[in-house]
Amino acid sequence: SQTIHQWPATLVQPVGSPLSLECTVEGTSNPNLYWYRQAAGRGLQLLFYSVGIGQISSEVPQNLSASRPQDRQFILSSKKLLLSDSGFYLCAWSSGTGVSYEQYFGPGTRLTVT
Amino acid sequence: AQTVTQSQPEMSVQEAETVTLSCTYDTSESDYYLFWYKQPPSRQMILVIRQEAYKQQNATENRFSVNFQKAAKSFSLKISDSQLGDAAMYFCAYRSEFRRTYKYIFGTGTRLKVLA
Repeated sequence: SQTIHQWPATLVQPVGSPLSLECTVEGTSNPNLYWYRQAAGRGLQLLFYSVGIGQISSEVPQNLSASRPQDRQFILSSKKLLLSDSGFYLCAWSSGTGVSYEQYFGPGTRLTVT
Repeated sequence: AQTVTQSQPEMSVQEAETVTLSCTYDTSESDYYLFWYKQPPSRQMILVIRQEAYKQQNATENRFSVNFQKAAKSFSLKISDSQLGDAAMYFCAYRSEFRRTYKYIFGTGTRLKVLA
């Protein structure tokens, strides 16, 4: 069965510090991968998605970036965090082969920028 | 561009009663998928139910069912025999099949409270 991992679960970082959040998927090949941010009590904002290694689409221009160095690995980064980057970050995957059409989510990372 | 609207920020239901959460969407496409996700206090997103636009039959998963009205672009979720564990944020989502963009668009969510 497929599993999606995210780490860390919780992170407190000062303004101006770098960020690296990692997401990995097990049990599937060539998944579509996604990064979302969710503000407290709000909906999901799509940040990045990827349909293959090295293929990244950005939805929101900001100081975040994403990379996909391996088929089942998706990394969210920032060189200098802003206070507005605080939130709950969710990684998700969907089938890249059309086997199914729903998205599956990781447990999330709660980021607090101080 | 497609949009998904959940007009009920919060709903309450008595335990064992039935509640319906509303969702409307806007699209010019004919081929797409619709989903309801549940996000409990743990914040783990859980798939509740999905509907293929080409299917006329409404999807059902145990106590959860949808009323899919394609012409009206409406996709409501009915929860029967509500339980305390159903208390959560519920998100409606749309997936386009246009040009294989594989993007999902989410509504702003409805917070469901279940009263004992």
